[in-house]
Amino acid sequence: DIVVTQSPDSLAVSLGERATINCKSSQSVLYSSTNKNYLAWYQQKPGQPPKLLIYWASTRESGVPDRFSGSGSVTDFTLTISTLQAEDVAVYYCQQYYNTPRTFGQGTKVEIK
Amino acid sequence: EVQLVESGGGLVQPGGSLRLSCAASGFNFSIYSMSWVRRAPGKGLEWVANIKQDENEKSYVDSVKGRFTISRDNAKNSLYLQMNNLRGEDTAVYYCARDAGESGHYTSNLWGQGTLVTVSS
Repeated sequence: DIVVTQSPDSLAVSLGERATINCKSSQSVLYSSTNKNYLAWYQQKPGQPPKLLIYWASTRESGVPDRFSGSGSVTDFTLTISTLQAEDVAVYYCQQYYNTPRTFGQGTKVEIK
Repeated sequence: EVQLVESGGGLVQPGGSLRLSCAASGFNFSIYSMSWVRRAPGKGLEWVANIKQDENEKSYVDSVKGRFTISRDNAKNSLYLQMNNLRGEDTAVYYCARDAGESGHYTSNLWGQGTLVTVSS
């Protein structure tokens, strides 16, 4: 199975500041025939189901604010929230969907400083 | 309204069984691959199982293989998860999710609110 590891486990950021979450996979999730990275980011707020933010490592899902961006390739990826808003308090997960089982990272809790 | 609604969760003793259901509405259920994902208390998300549109292909995480069975009824716009020989570590909120993607590579872009399964004596 592909192991996905996020860092940090939690971070506290001031409103309007940048938040950066890292995600590392134990093997490449770049599929050579499509040249796509099969890595997604989800946001889960308390009491709510997860919400897809980013797929193919850097493509925003429809309706997701542009302050959320994804980058990276092969095994190393980053989710950036450019200017943190109060409504962004949540746990964020990366997930590889290169193969099954589709493994998630352990999650990163984002709070307001 | 496009939505997924889970039901069937509850309290069950170790070794017992439960069948979860997920009712889909507002979209063409039959053309989508579907998944179950769970979140145990205090833990992160875990993908559990997936079923392709025509039910020919099913995949499971190792920890549930031989105990859980995913199925669907496209005529009823419904997804199911039959859970047998339940263990304490199966205690979690179970989410039904619609998959989106291509050629065997799927994310989940629509989720239900979840149903809680508690395995305890």
